[in-house]
Order: sequence, then C-alpha cells, then structure tokens
Amino acid sequence: EVQLVESGGGLVQPGGSLRLSCTVSGFTFSTYWMNWVRQAPGKGLEWVANIKTDGSEKYYADSVKGQFTISRDNAKNSLSLQMNSLRAEDTAVYYCVRWNYAMDVWGQGTTVIVSS
Amino acid sequence: EIELTQSPGTLSLSPGERATISCRASQSVRNNYLAWYQQKPGQAPKVLIFPASTRLTGIPDRFSGSGSGTDFTLTISRLEPEDFAVYYCQQSGSPLYTFGQGTKLEIK
Repeated sequence: EVQLVESGGGLVQPGGSLRLSCTVSGFTFSTYWMNWVRQAPGKGLEWVANIKTDGSEKYYADSVKGQFTISRDNAKNSLSLQMNSLRAEDTAVYYCVRWNYAMDVWGQGTTVIVSS
Repeated sequence: EIELTQSPGTLSLSPGERATISCRASQSVRNNYLAWYQQKPGQAPKVLIFPASTRLTGIPDRFSGSGSGTDFTLTISRLEPEDFAVYYCQQSGSPLYTFGQGTKLEIK
C-alpha cells in the first residue's frame, strides 16, 4: 500500500524552528518528485515547496523562500521540511505529497501551530 | 508565479443539477498542466483530473475537465450527494506550483 506519514508538527513560539518529516512506503521514493502543501485553518491549499528525485532541484513558494528548506534522503525513504523564523501565518496543516504528473498521493498531514 | 482565480467562490446546487467551476490563470499554463482536486472536510485532497481534461482512474465520468491556455473548467454533469465538497484547480506548468483559492460546492 502506498503511504505517506508526516511527523514533527506541534506548537512553536513565533521566531522558532521546526522540522517536519515524511516517511514513505509502498513505492520507489527515489523516482518521484515530492512536495509540501499546507492549509491554514479554514483556508485553501497553498503549495509550499518541491524537490526533484535526486534532490538536485528545489523550488519554493515566494511566501516561504529563504525561510523553509526542503530536503530528502532516498536511502531512508524520507522527505523533510526545515522551517525557521516561524510566524503566526505559518500555522497550518502540512501535507507531504507525491508528484506523479499531479499530486496523486497525500499524507494525512501534520499540524503546526505558531503561537506564544 | 502563475495566479489561478476560481469562480464562483461558492456554488449552491441540488443533487441532480449540473455544476460548472471556472479556473483562470494569470498566464498560459504550459502543456495545460492543470489539475482539479476535491477536498471533503477533515480529509486530504483527492486528484480528479490531470492534465486539464483527463480523468484519473476510478473517477466517475460525471466529472469532466476542459479548457486550455489560461481558461479551464470543471463540470460535474449530475451532482450526487457525495460530490458536495471544496474543489481546487492547481497548475504545474511552471516550477512554482499554485492552487486556486477553492470553490465550495454546497447543497441548496
């Protein structure tokens, strides 16, 4: 079964950092681009970042560029998102998403709350 | 960054009726790499159509997509009770992906 499982969410103070992880199973991780997509409470979907199969290309939404870093470890079937200088507007559910000419497989999401 | 504008924001219809949702891009979407997603409360989104007009495996044929360039449409021919949800368009024609703001399809 294809599965994406996010972890690492939680409550963090403004200005703090958090690292999200996504562990995948059921498919050959190293052959797919991967994405992070977030959804603020009661709001729409926002694409955050993506990374090429071998990690050689990374792209970020303007809203997080310079603040977030996406990475992957193909040996461990793992995707990560390092989030620094967090602000209240970064509060959201963060989804790990596989790219297969569309975002065809989604994790269940991990919740990040930025609040003092 | 390509901006996607969906309309309407909310659509109130009854089961059996036809739903039409528009997605307009601020610039042409390369290769018509435009997807449509359905999201129900408390669930992750589910991809319905990509690119532009091709239904994914298992998606009922009452869902159809059309359009090219900057103007795209999702049509649900005869609404079933399970179709009431929020729908998003999303482009991947440029390296910086973007979503539309969403259309809530609610029961009238």
